[in-house]
Amino acid sequence: NAGVTQTPKFRVLKTGQSMTLLCAQDMNHEYMYWYRQDPGMGLRLIHYSVGEGTTAKGEVPDGYNVSRLKKQNFLLGLESAAPSQTSVYFCASRGLIRSQPQHFGDGTRLSIL
Amino acid sequence: SQQGEEDPQALSIQEGENATMNCSYKTSINNLQWYRQNSGRGLVHLILIRSNEREKHSGRLRVTLDTSKKSSSLLITASRAADTASYFCATDQTNSGGSNYKLTFGKGTLLTVNP
Repeated sequence: NAGVTQTPKFRVLKTGQSMTLLCAQDMNHEYMYWYRQDPGMGLRLIHYSVGEGTTAKGEVPDGYNVSRLKKQNFLLGLESAAPSQTSVYFCASRGLIRSQPQHFGDGTRLSIL
Repeated sequence: SQQGEEDPQALSIQEGENATMNCSYKTSINNLQWYRQNSGRGLVHLILIRSNEREKHSGRLRVTLDTSKKSSSLLITASRAADTASYFCATDQTNSGGSNYKLTFGKGTLLTVNP
């Protein structure tokens, strides 16, 4: 049972390049989330989705776009990467019941040079 | 803005001792959750306590919630070296714009258990 899988695990980009981070979950969860984790800042919500075809902005959405074309996948895009986007990115998913926990992937470590 | 704030930021203890971490928050909550993160890994859910509960146990974990003080504590008893990790509290706010989808995470407590 894979749970939440993130690809790639590591990536180095140059300023201005674009890339897409992929998150896949096999638990049939409705809700999916993208967070970034920076030293001393904890986890901050970038975007989230409450179902296939829907997305919404979180706390720090600027510079990122997302898509949820299939229920099991949630994509995070950086159109023009900036050094400030160097971070560890985590995807999570959750079922419909409010008291259910969020399940996390192991993260994508992204460096922007 | 951060809803939950953990205290202390870092804690170092000897194996066998108890570890206590605290979390304070600012607004009304539906529930509060604790997560653990091992180095280089994602967060793993430990325990959830609802706003109408005062204490909850799971194995060596004991969580308390005081809604009047807007605070929670996580106690790990008889700690082991394998408990070394970062611990985060996360709040499900009652009035999150009508959304029951989001959690707000604190900055975490780094626990080191020395063998």
